[in-house]
Amino acid sequence: LAKTTQPISMDSYEGQEVNITCSHNNIATNDYITWYQQFPSQGPRFIIQGYKTKVTNEVASLFIPADRKSSTLSLPRVSLSDTAVYYCLVGDNPNRDDKIIFGKGTRLHILP
Amino acid sequence: DAGVIQSPRHEVTEMGQEVTLRCKPISGHNSLFWYRQTMMRGLELLIYFNNNVPIDDSGMPEDRFSAKMPNASFSTLKIQPSEPRDSAVYFCASSFRASNEQFFGPGTRLTVL
Repeated sequence: LAKTTQPISMDSYEGQEVNITCSHNNIATNDYITWYQQFPSQGPRFIIQGYKTKVTNEVASLFIPADRKSSTLSLPRVSLSDTAVYYCLVGDNPNRDDKIIFGKGTRLHILP
Repeated sequence: DAGVIQSPRHEVTEMGQEVTLRCKPISGHNSLFWYRQTMMRGLELLIYFNNNVPIDDSGMPEDRFSAKMPNASFSTLKIQPSEPRDSAVYFCASSFRASNEQFFGPGTRLTVL
């Protein structure tokens, strides 16, 4: 399983765009990149998933360069409620029965 | 669907007692995961099932921990005997496939005195 590295913590201010980068140098051809968000006292929640280039949904955007050795989660115009831990995960094609592993995550703290 | 259901939400017990945590996955999902989360160790995968069969239990800390999935709609995680270092939040999650989007339950906060 590909290992991921992401910053332990980040601070930002309300209204700013936040970019969290994750390194996954040994990502395999079939691996997808998935991001989860966890609020205090709750279980993680799926945010976005991608394979290459750019994916956007109502919550975030995911940028994946051509070599796929890293990915960046972009949160536009954050608010205090975006304070959470963000996990980057790499795992096999979702159509296969291989598990994915949560790392330590990035603790994002939004300041007023 | 009500989502993943876990019970109890909170459990306080004394060292040496048996603890049983319960999980009902989302109907139609065929993968189920048990996680443990602490401040020190983060979110750890304990065991996961595909189609009610345990696939990987390498994360189970020791023989005091056991998990079962007797049918597609129910799973238990048992700790016997419990120890103070088992205090943590235990999450159950389910997904259609093992590496698809996982849906987490609210967790069980276990305190072993």
